[in-house]
Amino acid sequence: DSGVTQTPKHLITATGQRVTLRCSPRSGDLSVYWYQQSLDQGLQFLIQYYNGEERAKGNILERFSAQQFPDLHSELNLSSLELGDSALYFCASSVVSGSRELFFGEGSRLTVL
Amino acid sequence: AQTVTQSQPEMSVQEAETVTLSCTYDTSESDYYLFWYKQPPSRQMILVIRQEAYKQQNATENRFSVNFQKAAKSFSLKISDSQLGDAAMYFCAYGDRDDKIIFGKGTRLHILP
Repeated sequence: DSGVTQTPKHLITATGQRVTLRCSPRSGDLSVYWYQQSLDQGLQFLIQYYNGEERAKGNILERFSAQQFPDLHSELNLSSLELGDSALYFCASSVVSGSRELFFGEGSRLTVL
Repeated sequence: AQTVTQSQPEMSVQEAETVTLSCTYDTSESDYYLFWYKQPPSRQMILVIRQEAYKQQNATENRFSVNFQKAAKSFSLKISDSQLGDAAMYFCAYGDRDDKIIFGKGTRLHILP
């Protein structure tokens, strides 16, 4: 158990819909990262927050948005869903800024039908 | 932009033998971190080993060691005495000072009994 909690674990929805994925980082971790892993692919970096502020941005679509709240949990919002958005979405946290070890959650499996 | 390349999509090794997974990266920075993560069939991401670029000594964790060649921008992972439990997807990752951590596409490792 990494200490990072992601909900929901599985989600099935239809094209055009909007979903919210939630992540609670390890106690004390200020950084939260979001990654997308499509079937048998690598992890695509989406976005990173540090203590509530956006710190780094990757290949995140405009239809996707994220935020980190004062209690440090984070949400990833995916809207106007397309079939190609079906993937495993990972959240990871790290203790402080400065490229420390990432602790990953178990992922949220999104299926868009 | 930084990139991470894993040129071996799949590899196989006999149990108890040694295998080396390759990783190259591209960066213009001098201060960064490198990682190898393991993803077994459970999909959980597990840190295998971590290397700071300013350290010339290669990191070692039990049966896992790296060959870090900074000038060549190469970061290979050697697994000694391979075990069935080592079968997994292995991802090489690069982390910069701004906390952006990007992953390669992975190498699937098969262990042959």
